[in-house]
Amino acid sequence: RKEVEQDPGPFNVPEGATVAFNCTYSNSASQSFFWYRQDCRKEPKLLMSVYSSGNEDGRFTAQLNRASQYISLLIRDSKLSDSATYLCVAETGTASKLTFGTGTRLQVTL
Amino acid sequence: EAQVTQNPRYLITVTGKKLTVTCSQNMNHEYMSWYRQDPGLGLRQIYYSMNVEVTDKGDVPEGYKVSRKEKRNFPLILESPSPNQTSLYFCASGQGLKQPQHFGDGTRLSIL
Repeated sequence: RKEVEQDPGPFNVPEGATVAFNCTYSNSASQSFFWYRQDCRKEPKLLMSVYSSGNEDGRFTAQLNRASQYISLLIRDSKLSDSATYLCVAETGTASKLTFGTGTRLQVTL
Repeated sequence: EAQVTQNPRYLITVTGKKLTVTCSQNMNHEYMSWYRQDPGLGLRQIYYSMNVEVTDKGDVPEGYKVSRKEKRNFPLILESPSPNQTSLYFCASGQGLKQPQHFGDGTRLSIL
């Protein structure tokens, strides 16, 4: 089982739609989680950190479910500019490293 | 401006010719790391450094070396590059492992 798993997509949604991605992690010792956004062939950029209590930043909401070992990202009112690959990241504390998922591709269309 | 700078951005070279990809950050970050990104495999960590003179292997360290003599610099060295090291490479830095990471623009390496 991969340490961090994501559905690769693509998720094709119309502008204005709400879309959600899940990401599962295998290491129950993981403590820090992040969502990054990556545009084609560019560097990943932090979208948001994921806190235990969940957090919201504008149209984006991130949730953590420790019992089921997954994190989620919800995007409301999708914009064309949201089209990108979304990377889930878990910190595996005992190994002192970050593990990236392979990403979920989102395509928002008119 | 806070940034992570990698050089070169693009390099085409031949098997066996040693090369170094430089990485420099101006944010006084302690944690730095190198990743390679390949289609279908995502970002995989090559090496990381928790601080000056402290480096450790990531998931795919074979064929690579790193050094961390100064806080700001973390070069990636390919002593004898091979075609399977053709990839897109990213350097990243952060205040620590549990903090958001800042990525460089990437280096596209082609080993013929």
